[in-house]
Amino acid sequence: SQTIHQWPATLVQPVGSPLSLECTVEGTSNPNLYWYRQAAGRGLQLLFYSVGIGQISSEVPQNLSASRPQDRQFILSSKKLLLSDSGFYLCAWTANSNQPQHFGDGTRLSIL
Amino acid sequence: KQEVTQIPAALSVPEGENLVLNCSFTDSAIYNLQWFRQDPGKGLTSLLLIQSSQREQTSGRLNASLDKSSGRSTLYIAASQPGDSATYLCAVLGTFDGTSYGKLTFGQGTILTVHP
Repeated sequence: SQTIHQWPATLVQPVGSPLSLECTVEGTSNPNLYWYRQAAGRGLQLLFYSVGIGQISSEVPQNLSASRPQDRQFILSSKKLLLSDSGFYLCAWTANSNQPQHFGDGTRLSIL
Repeated sequence: KQEVTQIPAALSVPEGENLVLNCSFTDSAIYNLQWFRQDPGKGLTSLLLIQSSQREQTSGRLNASLDKSSGRSTLYIAASQPGDSATYLCAVLGTFDGTSYGKLTFGQGTILTVHP
């Protein structure tokens, strides 16, 4: 069966520090991968999506970037974190765009 | 731009009640609609997916309907239990800039509390 892993579960970082969040999927090949952010009191916002290795599309301009170095690995990064980057970050995968998206347990990021 | 609205924002019911959660969307050009459940501090769990050509889907005590032309979906939960307490989110699948599809647009969710 397929599983998705995200880490770390929680992270506290100072303003201006770098960020790297990792997401891996097991049990499937060539998945579509997604990064979302869920801010307090707001819905889920799609940040990035990828349909293959090295293929990244950004939905909104921001302080973050994403990379897909391997088929089942999706990384969210920042060179310098801002206070506004705080939130709950979720990774998701799907076998193809018309199938259900399956989510990881998320990373709670707090910026001090 | 697709917008998804969920009503009510919060709902509190006694155990055993049947209940309905509502979801509406502004652009009827969707490929499918998904209902998710989110427990506090956790990720999302997919409950039901309705393709745009379908009218409803059922899983156990859950039944979701879709009226694409009017831009509405409902999630019906029968015989509610305290374990059903969670945030329920609906999301519609559309396109990225009118080309390749795969973009989910989410509603803000309905916070459901079922008390014993």
